[in-house]
Amino acid sequence: IQMTQSPSTLSASVGDRLTITCRASQSVSGWLAWYQQTPGKAPKLLIYKASSLESGVPSRFSGSGSGTEFTLTISSLQPDDFATYYCQQYHSYPYTFGQGTKLEIK
Amino acid sequence: EVQLLGSGGDLVQPGGSLRLSCAASGFTFSSYAMSWVRQAPGKGLEWVSGISGSGGSPYYADSVKGRFTISRDNSQNTLYLQMNSLRADDTAVYYCAKDAETSGSFWALFDYWGQGTLVTVSS
Repeated sequence: IQMTQSPSTLSASVGDRLTITCRASQSVSGWLAWYQQTPGKAPKLLIYKASSLESGVPSRFSGSGSGTEFTLTISSLQPDDFATYYCQQYHSYPYTFGQGTKLEIK
Repeated sequence: EVQLLGSGGDLVQPGGSLRLSCAASGFTFSSYAMSWVRQAPGKGLEWVSGISGSGGSPYYADSVKGRFTISRDNSQNTLYLQMNSLRADDTAVYYCAKDAETSGSFWALFDYWGQGTLVTVSS
């Protein structure tokens, strides 16, 4: 299953609301996760089962979607949010990630 | 506190072998599936291999099938990745990652990650 994120790069400012889209080449039902990665660090799980917030993750992060189209929304960008975001399907083998969306400071 | 400490990364020549280790603590290791995920320099994430909590049912990406072997020692709380016939395109940071599912079955949803260990394949 191929996962395609858009956009690949996004410029935004602190306080902005933004949405990242992830599309699957075939249905993954709701088995979709979002991760955040900052340079030199390991990825961090943000969202699982498309819309469930991982424990400890701020409520400004939210996820939605099912089937083949999913979104990650950050309601009010904070300085720590400038990072690269990846979606991942865990519906079926082989388990695939999107190519990433790099969020940059405008 | 969950901790995953990867080690074993090194510079190796094409065709060579390497074994990565991941020492786990802070959770009941045998109750959780584990995986290796890699990231080539400047690139995205690629799931490489996974194994159930009991050590059965290993899974591999097509890109490493027949060359890499995942295993675990639940008595030592350690995950391994034996890498043979290494190629230049295996160059990456390799992360070990804990599965979020509590049954020990392999779900490929990763709630904790190690710090990564760098494998460089070059002559």
